[in-house]
Amino acid sequence: ENQVEHSPHFLGPQQGDVASMSCTYSVSRFNNLQWYRQNTGMGPKHLLSMYSAGYEKQKGRLNATLLKNGSSLYITAVQPEDSATYFCGGADGLTFGKGTHLIIQP
Amino acid sequence: DGGITQSPKYLFRKEGQNVTLSCEQNLNHDAMYWYRQDPGQGLRLIYYSQIVNDFQKGDIAEGYSVSREKKESFPLTVTSAQKNPTAFYLCASARTLGELFFGEGSRLTVL
Repeated sequence: ENQVEHSPHFLGPQQGDVASMSCTYSVSRFNNLQWYRQNTGMGPKHLLSMYSAGYEKQKGRLNATLLKNGSSLYITAVQPEDSATYFCGGADGLTFGKGTHLIIQP
Repeated sequence: DGGITQSPKYLFRKEGQNVTLSCEQNLNHDAMYWYRQDPGQGLRLIYYSQIVNDFQKGDIAEGYSVSREKKESFPLTVTSAQKNPTAFYLCASARTLGELFFGEGSRLTVL
């Protein structure tokens, strides 16, 4: 059974800090990985696509690395508007983790 | 503007009633998905379709039904057989193995 786990479950950095989170997965067939962000009561929005182990991607204040069995996501200089739930999933759309709940302390 | 639209945003249902949630996309995507999300939980796959007139069950398909008669549309019916239907429902579409585009969700409450 495919599983996606996130760490940590909750994260509360101070404004201006770096937020660091990760997901690990066991999938029977891996076809790239996607990171999403979801605000409460709204639909998720795509952040980044990751294609192969060792792949790194930067988009604005977001930095992500794809590992052999997971991915790390870093958000630099976090702002209150970054507060949301961040989760990853395979590109097949079948399995997602519960995500990391990020709340920025003022 | 291209996008994916879910309706209604809020829906109330009495026990024993079937309800249908609408999902329409104009992105020309082949794949469409329905997920259920409960408070504090991740997305759980109900049904998905990779091509018109074909769909597959996800992890929690019991008590739900779908159709895919048109590429643009993938309605979800929550039947009276679904024992705990109160939840937030999300529809998504994608090119094959591409990023998912989500709707803004439909919140169903059973009275």
